[in-house]
Amino acid sequence: QVQVQQWGAGLLKPSETLSLNCAVYGGSFSGFYWSWIRQPPGKGLEWIGEINHSGSDKFTPSLESRVSMSADSSNNQFSLKLTSMTAADTAVYYCARLYCTSSSCYHLWGHGTLVTVSS
Amino acid sequence: NFMLTQPHSVSESPGKTVTISCTRSSGSIVSNYVQWYQQRPGSAPTIVIYEDSQRPSGVPDRFSGSIDSSSNSASLTISGLRTEDEADYHCQSYDSSYHWVFGGGTKLTVL
Repeated sequence: QVQVQQWGAGLLKPSETLSLNCAVYGGSFSGFYWSWIRQPPGKGLEWIGEINHSGSDKFTPSLESRVSMSADSSNNQFSLKLTSMTAADTAVYYCARLYCTSSSCYHLWGHGTLVTVSS
Repeated sequence: NFMLTQPHSVSESPGKTVTISCTRSSGSIVSNYVQWYQQRPGSAPTIVIYEDSQRPSGVPDRFSGSIDSSSNSASLTISGLRTEDEADYHCQSYDSSYHWVFGGGTKLTVL
């Protein structure tokens, strides 16, 4: 059963860059899309973007100018960078696998990392 | 793009049935599949309904999903409510660019 393990800095100052990583265990890395999704405290979920093993990516328009993702097939890992962080970016950040059937897809989530932006 | 609107909260008694709605702001609800996730306090979301009405293995048949084109909304219905069903529920769909869209989430209280 595929599992994801994520890590990265949990406390940032305004204007710093968020860097999070996610490792994939127990299954194939190639052939799937891998997502980042965040949830501000007490609020709903926001899809940030996704990437596949070959680096094909897509991002939500509201964050596209600040976000980048990368995929490392040799180590079964993918990562998220979000620049110019502000307090509004404080959230739990989840990495997730996009699981697809023959006709539809849904996300299988990691445990999440709380990222706080504060001076 | 479109938005998915959910009630902020619902509550019901154990053993009863509750329905949570998810209304699409523009475009047809039947255009793109809807998923539902359950999120217990302090935990990551888990899938309970995909492809509008399909249950992954391990999800009890007390959980069901449906689509209503007349109200342009999706619904999650939980019957025989248990205290363990108390959680936040999030609907999800995708747009024409295959960008994922989430509803604001609904807090279910079982009292």
